Amino acid sequence: DAKTTQPNSMESNEEEPVHLPCNHSTISGTDYIHWYRQLPSQGPEYVIHGLTSNVNNRMASLAIAEDRKSSTLILHRATLRDAAVYYCILRDRDDKIIFGKGTRLHILP
Amino acid sequence: DAGVTQSPTHLIKTRGQQVTLRCSPKSGHDTVSWYQQALGQGPQFIFQYYEEEERQRGNFPDRFSGHQFPNYSSELNVNALLLGDSALYLCASSPRELGYLYEQYFGPGTRLTVT
Repeated sequence: DAKTTQPNSMESNEEEPVHLPCNHSTISGTDYIHWYRQLPSQGPEYVIHGLTSNVNNRMASLAIAEDRKSSTLILHRATLRDAAVYYCILRDRDDKIIFGKGTRLHILP
Repeated sequence: DAGVTQSPTHLIKTRGQQVTLRCSPKSGHDTVSWYQQALGQGPQFIFQYYEEEERQRGNFPDRFSGHQFPNYSSELNVNALLLGDSALYLCASSPRELGYLYEQYFGPGTRLTVT
């Protein structure tokens, strides 16, 4: 079973920041927090991952709570192309990915 | 680099038939994982192959089997198809060494319809 909890859906206006929350209260010390997204009619694509510290890349930022029981994916300036299902996933050394249902993000023009 | 490729794109089969889906991993990747995604659901892990052996398996019956070739490409076989096997089948590749630190690259999937 997925070890994360996410809202089913969220809405945001175009060109505004989006904060996608994820709860993972049973996270272990060796679990990495990964985010993937799935655009319509495509396979999932990697967004970002982190362990303890906040992370930034060209797509997004990942803010990890100090106790690691929650995290937030931040899209700094949403575009219509960011409309997708976003999955928050915990990965440990066994490497397999267990997806939950994710958050469906709607972007309003 | 073509990334992960899968074939065929779409497939229609009848209940009771057998199907084979194919996947070529991203260049430099030696580990292949397969997922089943039903409509409106997140992908479900089927199994993972490395060094031509099944290394991990999700909660899927023995009707689902696979193979990995020396060039790291992989096949997913499903026997005795059921209507419930209708889904998008996704292949993902990654490097084995410290794979959990790296992203998995997903292919576009094969849409299987069982009638």
